[in-house]
Amino acid sequence: GQNIDQPTEMTATEGAIVQINCTYQTSGFNGLFWYQQHAGEAPTFLSYNVLDGLEEKGRFSSFLSRSKGYSYLLLKELQMKDSASYLCAVLDSNYQLIWGAGTKLIIKP
Amino acid sequence: GAVVSQHPSRVICKSGTSVKIECRSLDFQATTMFWYRQFPKQSLMLMATSNEGSKATYEQGVEKDKFLINHASLTLSTLTVTSAHPEDSSFYICSARGQGAPDYEQYFGPGTRLTVT
Repeated sequence: GQNIDQPTEMTATEGAIVQINCTYQTSGFNGLFWYQQHAGEAPTFLSYNVLDGLEEKGRFSSFLSRSKGYSYLLLKELQMKDSASYLCAVLDSNYQLIWGAGTKLIIKP
Repeated sequence: GAVVSQHPSRVICKSGTSVKIECRSLDFQATTMFWYRQFPKQSLMLMATSNEGSKATYEQGVEKDKFLINHASLTLSTLTVTSAHPEDSSFYICSARGQGAPDYEQYFGPGTRLTVT
């Protein structure tokens, strides 16, 4: 079966750095996404990785290792508005998005 | 960037009635639209994929006669929840992919909160 694992909840302090991990086992791989979802809202796109390595975009970076079936999202200089759920999703061989359950990130002042 | 709208954003209906949710791509032509359902504290679950002008492809376990999907034009798809029951209460989200867009590119609507009483 297809499976995506990420921690259920994480807590971090404003101004700090946090890393949210995601491991996946899917039938085929055509890329991995990270989305941010605030409560009661639809997901918004953060990043897309299809090749191994680190992609940096402002305060957010995403890393992928296809051989390990592993990705992480790194958030720097945390702000209170970063409190949200972060969803990891993999595009499988049929180009369907397989979603993780999401990681709820709580930022404390 | 590409914008997808949904209407209504919230709807409350009585058990046994039907509810229609609209999903529109505002500034691009969406050849493919996806409908998701999300229960509280759970991940998005794909319900169906629809291509303009053809019948929707439903995921296993999703009743096609209960969740009617129509993708009649390149900018509009509708999801009708027929004979709604309280267990259908959920957050319904659509996303759209444009003609010629990379396979990985999907734009999400803001979602519709359905409450069935």
